[in-house]
Amino acid sequence: AQTVTQSQPEMSVQEAETVTLSCTYDTSENNYYLFWYKQPPSRQMILVIRQEAYKQQNATENRFSVNFQKAAKSFSLKISDSQLGDTAMYFCASKYDNYGQNFVFGPGTRLSVLP
Amino acid sequence: GAVVSQHPSWVICKSGTSVKIECRSLDFQATTMFWYRQFPKQSLMLMATSNEGSKATYEQGVEKDKFLINHASLTLSTLTVTSAHPEDSSFYICSATPVANEKLFFGSGTQLSVL
Repeated sequence: AQTVTQSQPEMSVQEAETVTLSCTYDTSENNYYLFWYKQPPSRQMILVIRQEAYKQQNATENRFSVNFQKAAKSFSLKISDSQLGDTAMYFCASKYDNYGQNFVFGPGTRLSVLP
Repeated sequence: GAVVSQHPSWVICKSGTSVKIECRSLDFQATTMFWYRQFPKQSLMLMATSNEGSKATYEQGVEKDKFLINHASLTLSTLTVTSAHPEDSSFYICSATPVANEKLFFGSGTQLSVL
């Protein structure tokens, strides 16, 4: 079974600073996808960034980037220039293949951006 | 991006009544939709996978007679909580994946409160 672990239940960061959220996963699959989703107080789930396991290059989306270490099964999220609107729950998730239903979510990290 | 609409956003009902929640994919066809339940400050828990034109697949421990799922078209799935009780009070989220797309798009969720 595939599992996703987020070891930091809560984190805080000062506005404009950089913060890194950790995620590790366990899978025996070769082809899979990794995601970070954000859930702000509105509770709408929003896709932040995704990474294909077969790509070695780390994904980047504006202020959000990942550090994908396939051998270590690690997938951390870096948020640069943190903004108050980044305050949210962040969920790391994995998906096996393009047609399956196997999304697995981690327990989440609650991030607070402090003014 | 793909849009998933979920209705209603919140509902309050008396114990013993049934409540229907709708999930629509507005700009894509979804042969598969997913229903999650989320308790406060916790991660998403997959309840069932809704397949268009066939029976839903329920996760272990989810009562299929209590949580009725109907996926009658490629753009609509419904979750009916039958004979609701206070312990069914929770936040319910639907999601869908467009064909040949690895991303999961979420509805805005439904807060159910059973009195």
